[in-house]
Amino acid sequence: AQKVTQAQTEISVVEKEDVTLDCVYETRDTTYYLFWYKQPPSGELVFLIRRNSFDEQNEISGRYSWNFQKSTSSFNFTITASQVVDSAVYFCALSDEEDSGGGADGLTFGKGTHLIIQP
Amino acid sequence: DVKVTQSSRYLVKRTGEKVFLECVQDMDHENMFWYRQDPGLGLRLIYFSYDVKMKEKGDIPEGYSVSREKKERFSLILESASTNQTSMYLCASSLGTGRTEAFFGQGTRLTVV
Repeated sequence: AQKVTQAQTEISVVEKEDVTLDCVYETRDTTYYLFWYKQPPSGELVFLIRRNSFDEQNEISGRYSWNFQKSTSSFNFTITASQVVDSAVYFCALSDEEDSGGGADGLTFGKGTHLIIQP
Repeated sequence: DVKVTQSSRYLVKRTGEKVFLECVQDMDHENMFWYRQDPGLGLRLIYFSYDVKMKEKGDIPEGYSVSREKKERFSLILESASTNQTSMYLCASSLGTGRTEAFFGQGTRLTVV
C-alpha cells in the first residue's frame, strides 16, 4: 500500500525566512510519481511540480525548490525568501504507473502542511 | 486555460436528502475523481472513473455513488445525506495514467444539518 507522510501539521514563519516542507513516502512500486500541490484559502488545489522515480535531479523554479532523495524516500519542498502570498496548505502526493482497467487510480495524498507566513 | 468546474461552492442539505454534486471538465480527460477533504485527514479518494460509464471505488466509497454518462461530467451522489458527510468535496480530472498531474475544481463545501 502507498503512504505519504507530512509530519509538519503547521509551520509559521516570518516573511523573508526560508522554509522547508517535509514529505516522506512509502511504495513498493519501482515506477512512481511524486507531486506537490498548493491549496490557497480559495480552496482550489494548484499543481506545483511532478517528479518521476527515475529522476532524482533537484529542481528550482524561482523561489521554490524541490529535493528528491530515493535513499530516504523523501521529496522535500523549500520556499526561499517566503512571502505572505505563500500562505496556504501544501500537499505532497504519490501515484504509480499501474493502470486499473486502463486508467489512473488516483493520487495518495499526505495530510497537508498549513504554512503561515507572517508579515 | 484548463478548467474543472464544480456546480456549487457551498451547499446546505438536510439529513436524509439525496444530494447531487456535479463536476464538469473541458480538457477531454479520461480520468475523473471525487475526493473528500477533512481537517487532519487530508484528501481521501471516494470514487474515480477512467471512462464513460466506468467507475471504481476509492478508499471511502460507503454512502456515495457516482455517475458518468458523458466524458466531461462526473457526478457524486449522496443517496441519503448524513451529518458525517459534512465536508469539502473536490473533483479532479487527469489524462492517461498515474504519471500525469490532476487538475482540481474549486471545491464544494457541503453541510448536512
